[in-house]
Amino acid sequence: QKEVEQNSGPLSVPEGAIASLNCTYSDRGSQSFFWYRQYSGKSPELIMSIYSNGDKEDGRFTAQLNKASQYVSLLIRDSQPSDSATYLCAVRNTGGFKTIFGAGTRLFVKA
Amino acid sequence: GAVVSQHPSRVICKSGTSVKIECRSLDFQATTMFWYRQFPKQSLMLMATSNEGSKATYEQGVEKDKFLINHASLTLSTLTVTSAHPEDSSFYICSASAGYEQYFGPGTRLTVT
Repeated sequence: QKEVEQNSGPLSVPEGAIASLNCTYSDRGSQSFFWYRQYSGKSPELIMSIYSNGDKEDGRFTAQLNKASQYVSLLIRDSQPSDSATYLCAVRNTGGFKTIFGAGTRLFVKA
Repeated sequence: GAVVSQHPSRVICKSGTSVKIECRSLDFQATTMFWYRQFPKQSLMLMATSNEGSKATYEQGVEKDKFLINHASLTLSTLTVTSAHPEDSSFYICSASAGYEQYFGPGTRLTVT
């Protein structure tokens, strides 16, 4: 089992819809969770971090964390074509300073 | 805030030569820096982790004598690809951290001819 798992996609949604990106992780003691956006040919950009159970909203982005289920998700409301990118889920492991990245989910927002 | 720069952004070198890539945290002090490599359409691969003033910790399968990492200060880390070969051609990305969050540099695209 991979430490951080994401559906590789592609996930295709129409413009204006909600895009839902999911991630599961194996280290039950993990405490810090992140979502990065990576455009093709560019480096990852941190868009959300979440540390406690529940929802965290920032503009059109909402991160959701459920530690009991070892599940973290990212919702993008009112999706725009400019949101088309690969979204990386990242989890900081227990007791260490290494962040484990998922392989990413490719999102396409159709105009 | 949390800006990380990398230089150069793109480099082409001949096989057998060495290339140095610089990574700087511009507005914070990075206790830890990370070096990644990414091949086209593949996920990030962590190469090594370095703390200021300490030797880097390399991931399994990464040759430490080929990929020399120096973390001389809290704002600067360098990666030197020694005796580069065409198979080393890749996108090299550094990342800096001062706490839980990691911030990435813009990356360096290395092409070895």
